Amino acid sequence: DAGVIQSPRHEVTEMGQEVTLRCKPISGHDYLFWYRQTMMRGLELLIYFNNNVPIDDSGMPEDRFSAKMPNASFSTLKIQPSEPRDSAVYFCASRRDRPNTGELFFGEGSRLTVL
Amino acid sequence: AQSVAQPEDQVNVAEGNPLTVKCTYSVSGNPYLFWYVQYPNRGLQFLLKYITGDNLVKGSYGFEAEFNKSQTSFHLKKPSALVSDSALYFCAVSPISGGYNKLIFGAGTRLAVHP
Repeated sequence: DAGVIQSPRHEVTEMGQEVTLRCKPISGHDYLFWYRQTMMRGLELLIYFNNNVPIDDSGMPEDRFSAKMPNASFSTLKIQPSEPRDSAVYFCASRRDRPNTGELFFGEGSRLTVL
Repeated sequence: AQSVAQPEDQVNVAEGNPLTVKCTYSVSGNPYLFWYVQYPNRGLQFLLKYITGDNLVKGSYGFEAEFNKSQTSFHLKKPSALVSDSALYFCAVSPISGGYNKLIFGAGTRLAVHP
């Protein structure tokens, strides 16, 4: 299996622009998670899906952030408009439901820089 | 509030010596406990977990961790460190209140193994 695949690996954009990050989870995994990593705040859970349905988005910082999972093999995290404080590494992770070992499989991340 | 503490920002150890990376947590109930490792510019990789049973759990690359319920600790250990173990290590807990879905990460401890 190719693992969790994220794109782009690096994105540099200007304040106010729309940013779309993409994730392909491991085939057969029922849960998908979006995390953000910064030096100041560490790893934060933004949102997670179960069987393509958003379950908990309480970590999404504000309305500028949105996430979708139109099918079992694809998810997007969108920021519109982007701001410099959104600069971070965004990770996607997935896991299977049964058996629930709790172990997450992470992608390699998308490093976002907003100028 | 539920939290995970990794009291050391960095741990330095000589190659061949034993290492310990500390983790304590404040979570109600009986959470799942995890250790993940992150190499530069990569995603997090699962090392080991404790769910129930024997307090000493063994994981990847010769690492092990000891669960201590009374001290709410889950310290990561390795009998003999390698230079290639140098990386960022994260302790994480998954409380039952989130259905074991919401991993709470510590701030991370950077392990530096010197030749």
